[in-house]
Amino acid sequence: DGGITQSPKYLFRKEGQNVTLSCEQNLNHDAMYWYRQDPGQGLRLIYYSQIVNDFQKGDIAEGYSVSREKKESFPLTVTSAQKNPTAFYLCASSIRNNEQFFGPGTRLTVL
Amino acid sequence: AQSVTQLDSQVPVFEEAPVELRCNYSSSVSVYLFWYVQYPNQGLQLLLKYLSGSTLVKGINGFEAEFNKSQTSFHLRKPSVHISDTAEYFCAVSDGAGKSTFGDGTTLTVKP
Repeated sequence: DGGITQSPKYLFRKEGQNVTLSCEQNLNHDAMYWYRQDPGQGLRLIYYSQIVNDFQKGDIAEGYSVSREKKESFPLTVTSAQKNPTAFYLCASSIRNNEQFFGPGTRLTVL
Repeated sequence: AQSVTQLDSQVPVFEEAPVELRCNYSSSVSVYLFWYVQYPNQGLQLLLKYLSGSTLVKGINGFEAEFNKSQTSFHLRKPSVHISDTAEYFCAVSDGAGKSTFGDGTTLTVKP
């Protein structure tokens, strides 16, 4: 079955640690996205990539980093510079200008 | 720049009643419009989309939306809701350059 997978579903991190969230898709989509969702709020764009080896900052990129070495993979690293990292993180992919397909999300909690 | 405003943060409705979730957008270029649904602790699923053509768009689960360019709106409707429609609904606009902007969401609660 085609789709997007995110792992892990739940992640706990101590303050000061970097952590990497995985996102893989087998839909052959060129574009991939990372969003952050906080309670009662919409989705805020962290980073997006429209092609391999290229990515752009979204609206809240500070404290985050990404890579796009393969078409299928778009991992997100939450660094210690992110002041308030506890949130629900969603990865998505799309064919340009069309709907986005979302993964099941990773809930990150900083202890 | 583009933006999306969902006019109602919460919409309570009784089962089998009609419902309308309102969405206004602003954009300086041609837009592509979407409605997504999110169930608790899950990702978003596409309900329907407007890319071009007919302004009345039909989606899954009996939902439909109408694109109104003059009023810059894309309201979501369903003539008769079910308990299972209880979820968070997001309106989104794409600028054609691969970037989408989402509204803050509307929580639809269907009561028996």
